[in-house]
Amino acid sequence: SQQGEEDPQALSIQEGENATMNCSYKTSINNLQWYRQNSGRGLVHLILIRSNEREKHSGRLRVTLDTSKKSSSLLITASRAADTASYFCAPDSGTYKYIFGTGTRLKVLA
Amino acid sequence: GAGVSQTPSNKVTEKGKYVELRCDPISGHTALYWYRQSLGQGPEFLIYFQGTGAADDSGLPNDRFFAVRPEGSVSTLKIQRTERGDSAVYLCASSPGTGIKDEQFFGPGTRLTVL
Repeated sequence: SQQGEEDPQALSIQEGENATMNCSYKTSINNLQWYRQNSGRGLVHLILIRSNEREKHSGRLRVTLDTSKKSSSLLITASRAADTASYFCAPDSGTYKYIFGTGTRLKVLA
Repeated sequence: GAGVSQTPSNKVTEKGKYVELRCDPISGHTALYWYRQSLGQGPEFLIYFQGTGAADDSGLPNDRFFAVRPEGSVSTLKIQRTERGDSAVYLCASSPGTGIKDEQFFGPGTRLTVL
């Protein structure tokens, strides 16, 4: 198991702007998942990208993965106030266990 | 089509008391996880069940914490002699556990406050 480290720790943008957050990890992975958490409650799965994929889209979300740099980015386009949340990455090294970082706290201002 | 549910949603107790937190996973999910989350931090892994057995309890902070899943469905996290430092949101998650790494479906959490 390994920890994903999200960056920046906090991000504040205007509604309609794009938000980009990054994740770095240390060892090779099978896949990487991104989760969103509203108001300190349960996490919601957003997207999974496999190690042999470089980019994946889901609605307004775009995830990239660079295994050579051991990093991933999550882009939210045309952000909305409802996107205000904390975002966590979960790199999977082939074990069942996620070690979550402290996340990126995104605030979208109306 | 219920998701993961957790009860109670909030629990306030006094230092030294015993508490039980319950998790009802999605029906048919064999994998179940407990996490603890403090303010401003990410979820911290506590324990993982595959079926009825605890496959990994390495995240349990000490022997005051114990979790069971006797029938491979509902799980209970038990905390004895609670301390103020146990105050946190306790999250439960389940996944199908097919052997392929699956997304985890999280419950809304139980906010535990130890006075």
